[in-house]
This record gives sequence, structure tokens and C-alpha cells, in this order.
Amino acid sequence: ETGVTQTPRHLVMGMTNKKSLKCEQHLGHNAMYWYKQSAKKPLELMFVYNFKEQTENNSVPSRFSPECPNSSHLFLHLHTLQPEDSALYLCASSQDATGGYEQYFGPGTRLTVT
Amino acid sequence: GESVGLHLPTLSVQEGDNSIINCAYSNSASDYFIWYKQESGKGPQFIIDIRSNMDKRQGQRVTVLLNKTVKHLSLQIAATQPGDSAVYFCAENLNSGGSNYKLTFGKGTLLTVNP
Repeated sequence: ETGVTQTPRHLVMGMTNKKSLKCEQHLGHNAMYWYKQSAKKPLELMFVYNFKEQTENNSVPSRFSPECPNSSHLFLHLHTLQPEDSALYLCASSQDATGGYEQYFGPGTRLTVT
Repeated sequence: GESVGLHLPTLSVQEGDNSIINCAYSNSASDYFIWYKQESGKGPQFIIDIRSNMDKRQGQRVTVLLNKTVKHLSLQIAATQPGDSAVYFCAENLNSGGSNYKLTFGKGTLLTVNP
């Protein structure tokens, strides 16, 4: 276990649904991240939060909406997704986002959009 | 194109052999590099890291080598075991503006260990 948990582990949703992914870290870190992992593509950074403030939005479509209520929790709200959004969504945390610190990843949520 | 990439998408080795996984990066300003291992159905797991002021770092059965001259990173796994079968990613730490940094990942190399 890495100390980063994600729920749900699997999610199937229609294009008109609204759902949320949840991430929690038990490491006392101050930075949290959302990544998208598609088949045969590198991990794509989506959002970065450092001390609860969003510091990076990597040109992510507005149908993905992140929320970071505190340094331990991170959400990704999903609405009107497209089939090409089907992927593994990974959450990670690190001590903070201002230097060379390793990131610890959760197990991911496997999302399928039908 | 991406700044971090891998020379080989797949690598097959015999159990007990040593494995070498390579990675090229393009940003000479990168100052921190990490190797991750990802097993099927799991998130990436930190293996070892190295900062740009070092050429070599050793862990348990793993060694990372950094050649800044040619912007090349490698991961060596000694006495490869079946449990080492996974996808291995390198990542480089890049400044994304101000004091913030982000990791950029390569595509990954699939390592298969044959018994």
C-alpha cells in the first residue's frame, strides 16, 4: 500500500451521467495530482494542487472539474464525458509541488464511458 | 514531441539475468529523475530516484545511471525475478512556472521475465 487510496476502483458511466472520483492520502503530503493513463500513451498530468490551491490545469476540458477541500482529499467531478475519456485515472501525492519529491500513486479508477 | 521517451517498448529477459531499461530526456534543465514500476491493475510504484548532481545511485537490486552529457537515464535490475515483470516508466522533473514543478513521464517499457 502506498498510502494513497482511490474510490471507486471501477466506474462505468453514460455520457449524460455525473459522477465523482475520490482520492485520499494518509501521508501528510501537501500536494495532490490527477493523471490520466490511456493505453499506449504516457501518463498525462491533468491537475495539481499545492496546499489546497490549484497550481496546474494542463488544458483539461471543463467536463472534468477538480476539487481539493483539504490537503488529504482530492475529487474529480465528471459530467457529460465522451467515450474517449475512458481511461485509468490516477491520483498521486507528494510532500509538495515546489521541488524534487517523489510522487506516490493510488491504484487508480478504471473509467469506462458508454 | 515528448521530452522523455524510452528506446524499447518491450524487454524480455531470463530469470536471474540482469535487465537494463533505457530512457532519453531532452530538457537539460531537468534536475530530478524517477523510475516507476507499474504492475497490471495497480498504480505506478516508486522504485528509485536520482538528482542531477549525481551520476549513479543504488538501491536494493536496482541501480540508476544518469548521463547528463547525452541526456540518458537507465535502470539496471540485478538478478531479475518473475515479480519484476511490469511496465517501467522514467519521469523527469520540470519547472512548470514559478516555484512549481511537474513530472513528465515516458511511454514505458514492458519487462517480461521468463522462468
